Amino acid sequence: AQTVTQSQPEMSVQEAETVTLSCTYDTSESDYYLFWYKQPPSRQMILVIRQEAYKQQNATENRFSVNFQKAAKSFSLKISDSQLGDAAMYFCAYRSAFTGTASKLTFGTGTRLQVTL
Amino acid sequence: NAGVTQTPKFQVLKTGQSMTLQCAQDMNHEYMSWYRQDPGMGLRLIHYSVGAGITDQGEVPNGYNVSRSTTEDFPLRLLSAAPSQTSVYFCASSYHRGGAYNEQFFGPGTRLTVL
Repeated sequence: AQTVTQSQPEMSVQEAETVTLSCTYDTSESDYYLFWYKQPPSRQMILVIRQEAYKQQNATENRFSVNFQKAAKSFSLKISDSQLGDAAMYFCAYRSAFTGTASKLTFGTGTRLQVTL
Repeated sequence: NAGVTQTPKFQVLKTGQSMTLQCAQDMNHEYMSWYRQDPGMGLRLIHYSVGAGITDQGEVPNGYNVSRSTTEDFPLRLLSAAPSQTSVYFCASSYHRGGAYNEQFFGPGTRLTVL
């Protein structure tokens, strides 16, 4: 079974600064997908960024980027120019690439990000 | 499109009571899932479905039943509620297609308290 570990329960960043959230995972599969989800106080789960394991290039979405290191099984999220609206719980998630697994995500325990003025 | 809807938003039950959490989606998605979110444990998969009439167990299925008679609906049943089932429940749906862009769309969640 796959596992996802987020070792930082809480992080804090000043507005306009950069912060990196860590995620490691364990799997015996060679093809899979990784995701970062944001959960604001509204409780809604929002997809922030996704990465295909077969792609060497790190994914980027505006101020959000990842550092994907497949050999180390590491998938960190970097948030640049942090904004107050970035304050939320962030979850790292794993999904197998096998057919029929699109509905099966494995989540980490989350990192609560605070953004201060 | 309403996306993924869940009812109720909040519910309080007594131990031993039964109830059904409703989930519906209007995006014609084949795949649907139920997760529970507990403090410090992230989201864990309860049951999932890859199409009408097909369901399977996830990581934490005990105490829950599901069925999928239509593409749109995927209700989650608690037959005899226990305090350990106090949690926030999320329903999600996605297309039946390969690739990372098979995004799961989440409902707004149901907060359930079992006394």
